[in-house]
Amino acid sequence: AQKVTQAQTEISVVEKEDVTLDCVYETRDTTYYLFWYKQPPSGELVFLIRRNSFDEQNEISGRYSWNFQKSTSSFNFTITASQVVDSAVYFCALKGLPTDSWGKLQFGAGTQVVVTP
Amino acid sequence: DTAVSQTPKYLVTQMGNDKSIKCEQNLGHDTMYWYKQDSKKFLKIMFSYNNKELIINETVPNRFSPKSPDKAHLNLHINSLELGDSAVYFCASSQRLAPSPYNEQFFGPGTRLTVL
Repeated sequence: AQKVTQAQTEISVVEKEDVTLDCVYETRDTTYYLFWYKQPPSGELVFLIRRNSFDEQNEISGRYSWNFQKSTSSFNFTITASQVVDSAVYFCALKGLPTDSWGKLQFGAGTQVVVTP
Repeated sequence: DTAVSQTPKYLVTQMGNDKSIKCEQNLGHDTMYWYKQDSKKFLKIMFSYNNKELIINETVPNRFSPKSPDKAHLNLHINSLELGDSAVYFCASSQRLAPSPYNEQFFGPGTRLTVL
């Protein structure tokens, strides 16, 4: 069975601090895909990044960076110099192939990030 | 130019009623999904259709019936609504496999259903 664990329920930081969100996954598939989504207070789900299991390169996009480590089954997400607009719930998700070749995403429980001025 | 749209955004109704939520995507995707997000923010897939064919049907009460008239639309009909059906329902779409197996899902804005 596939599983995504986001152990941090809520993280509170002051603006300009860095915040790292942990994501640990379990899958038996050798090919799989990992995603991060953001859900701001307005409620929509916004796609942030995808990573496949063969690509362990870390990625940086502006203030966002992702650290994928297959050895520890982790796909962590860091927001550098946080801003109030980063306040949201962040979800890590997993899609395995061939188990979920039809696209079923397994979501983690989400981490609420609260950034205060 | 909204990619995935849902109507209505809010739905308040009495127990026992029947209601529908509509979803449309203009991304040309061939696969659409319904997810349920409960009050604790847990997101769980309910159904998925690929080219109008039901391909994922999780353990969902048969009071919930999805219908896909074409690959750009996936509607969700709920009979005999119960208190526990109160949640946010998200529609999503993706392009399965082609041009790549990444096919991240794009979500609609959600429909907040409240059953009184």
